[in-house]
Amino acid sequence: DAGITQSPRHKVTETGTPVTLRCHQTENHRYMYWYRQDPGHGLRLIHYSYGVKDTDKGEVSDGYSVSRSKTEDFLLTLESATSSQTSVYFCAISESIRPGDAGANVLTFGAGSRLTVL
Amino acid sequence: AQSVTQPDIHITVSEGASLELRCNYSYGATPYLFWYVQSPGQGLQLLLKYFSGDTLVQGIKGFEAEFKRSQSSFNLRKPSVHWSDAAEYFCAVGENNNDMRFGAGTRLTVKP
Repeated sequence: DAGITQSPRHKVTETGTPVTLRCHQTENHRYMYWYRQDPGHGLRLIHYSYGVKDTDKGEVSDGYSVSRSKTEDFLLTLESATSSQTSVYFCAISESIRPGDAGANVLTFGAGSRLTVL
Repeated sequence: AQSVTQPDIHITVSEGASLELRCNYSYGATPYLFWYVQSPGQGLQLLLKYFSGDTLVQGIKGFEAEFKRSQSSFNLRKPSVHWSDAAEYFCAVGENNNDMRFGAGTRLTVKP
C-alpha cells in the first residue's frame, strides 16, 4: 500500500472559484502525478512532479497549476474553475520495479476526488 | 504520437464464461504495457504488466495478457469470469515515468 490520500473526496463549486485538491503520500516516492478521468477519454495526465519544487506539464495542463513544497504533498489548483473541469481527479505515485530502467515503473493510484463545477 | 485503443466500450459476459478484452497501441518502439482495473468509486489497481521477456504475462485475480508485437496488441484474458470481475478495465502503454497513455476503458458487465 503506497499510502496515498486524496482530499477532498467530493467537492461541488461554482464557476470562477478557485479549487485546490491535495494528494498526500507516506512513502517518500519521488514521482507524483495528477490525472483526470472523463468518460470516453480514460485517464489523461495533467501535471507531474519529479521532486520538491520540480514539476512539469502533462497532456491537459491548461487551466491547472501544481505545487510540491514537501515530498509528501502534491497540490493541484484550479485558479478559476470552469464547467469543463468537472471530472474525477486521481493522484498517483510511481514505483520503480527495475532499478536503472526509467520505464520499468508502475503507477499506484489514490481513491480519487470527484469535482463538480456548476 | 503514441496512442492506445480499446475497441470495446462495453462487454457483457455470463458468469463462468471466458473473457477477452482487446487493446491495440500505436508506438514507435516496444513500449511497456499495463492493464488496470477500476471498481465503481475506486481508484485503479494494477492487474498485470509487460516489460520484456515472455510475451504471456500472468496477473492477479486469474487474469493473463499476451503481447503480440506483429499485431501491436496486448489483449487481456480470463478463462472463467466471476461476478466480482464486473468493473472497468484500462489498458495503458508507456516508455518512461512521464509518458503513460491510457485507453478509454472497457466496462465489463457479468450476467448471473
